[in-house]
Amino acid sequence: QQQVKQSPQSLIVQKGGISIINCAYENTAFDYFPWYQQFPGKGPALLIAIRPDVSEKKEGRFTISFNKSAKQFSLHIMDSQPGDSATYFCAASRAAGADGLTFGKGTHLIIQP
Amino acid sequence: DTEVTQTPKHLVMGMTNKKSLKCEQHMGHRAMYWYKQKAKKPPELMFVYSYEKLSINESVPSRFSPECPNSSLLNLHLHALQPEDSALYLCASSLQSSGSYEQYFGPGTRLTVT
Repeated sequence: QQQVKQSPQSLIVQKGGISIINCAYENTAFDYFPWYQQFPGKGPALLIAIRPDVSEKKEGRFTISFNKSAKQFSLHIMDSQPGDSATYFCAASRAAGADGLTFGKGTHLIIQP
Repeated sequence: DTEVTQTPKHLVMGMTNKKSLKCEQHMGHRAMYWYKQKAKKPPELMFVYSYEKLSINESVPSRFSPECPNSSLLNLHLHALQPEDSALYLCASSLQSSGSYEQYFGPGTRLTVT
């Protein structure tokens, strides 16, 4: 059973555009939802994260939107740049991470110059 | 500083070898994790250590043996691995306290089993 579903699998966006990646979860016990960025050959880097008590969080060009009733959350990358080209993973966990992270399958993002 | 270090960066081992992966953090984090990542796949949780005690083992084969000698150090002992165990092995750590959920990953060890 896949507990975190991520879409799309791949995404091509023009430079300066908005990149949008969506995730949906099934386990209502999840209470922490991070996004990670991973470049080839590197470990995942924490990008931004949200808890269910807020509906939106913004850090620079990155925004998470969270819909608790729909059990969905999304990442928006504003003014996308070629350096943003990477694989993005959404994830979820509960109990301060005591159970580890459950990841979505990932989105391969390409920003075209 | 949010650095998790892992050694070695690359490891090639035969199926009869015994080797160990090492992970270190000096952020005062009390939870440490091992994940396995195959190419073009997400990381998959293997083990969780909480306050130096093994709290989760995700049905990992016994040829993988974790060890947490102290709160800053995490090892993964490997023995009699199979070629399908070739992957990127990632270590992560988190503070594990209310209000602080961030989990930070190391760069990983690229393991090839021949």
